[in-house]
Amino acid sequence: DSGVTQTPKHLITATGQRVTLRCSPRSGDLSVYWYQQSLDQGLQFLIQYYNGEERAKGNILERFSAQQFPDLHSELNLSSLELGDSALYFCASSVDGEDTQYFGPGTRLTVL
Amino acid sequence: GQNIDQPTEMTATEGAIVQINCTYQTSGFNGLFWYQQHAGEAPTFLSYNVLDGLEEKGRFSSFLSRSKGYSYLLLKELQMKDSASYLCAAYSNDYKLSFGAGTTVTVRA
Repeated sequence: DSGVTQTPKHLITATGQRVTLRCSPRSGDLSVYWYQQSLDQGLQFLIQYYNGEERAKGNILERFSAQQFPDLHSELNLSSLELGDSALYFCASSVDGEDTQYFGPGTRLTVL
Repeated sequence: GQNIDQPTEMTATEGAIVQINCTYQTSGFNGLFWYQQHAGEAPTFLSYNVLDGLEEKGRFSSFLSRSKGYSYLLLKELQMKDSASYLCAAYSNDYKLSFGAGTTVTVRA
């Protein structure tokens, strides 16, 4: 158990819908990262937050957005969902944004 | 840009040694991570190399050569539970961690 929690564990929804994934970092960690992992691709970095501010952006679609709240938990919002958005979404956290990242158990999103 | 290459699959026998190579071309390179991931589970941290050389941690060792853009993960005394995907990831100075596609290691009895 890494200490990073993610909810929900599984999510099944339809195309065109919007969902919110939630992540709580390890106690003491200031930085949160979001990744997408689909079957045909490796782990793709989406976005990083550090102490409430966006720090780095990867291959995140405009339909996706994220934020980190004052209590340091983070949410990833996915809208206008498409079949291709079906994937495992991982959250990771680290102490200062430049050290080892510890991954949560992931949210498996299925878009039907 | 980032380009990280590692073999797709490797098979080895229980008790043997396996070496997983990783080459990277990463602008602003800071260091090299190795993670282990069992199917459907979260990646778990194995090692982080910043300086050239070998770092040993129990049955697992990791090596880095910054000048060659090369790293390897060495798994010794293989156990069945080591069957997993091993992910090489390059950390760059724009705070991004770029992962390779992963090497699936299968340990046979």
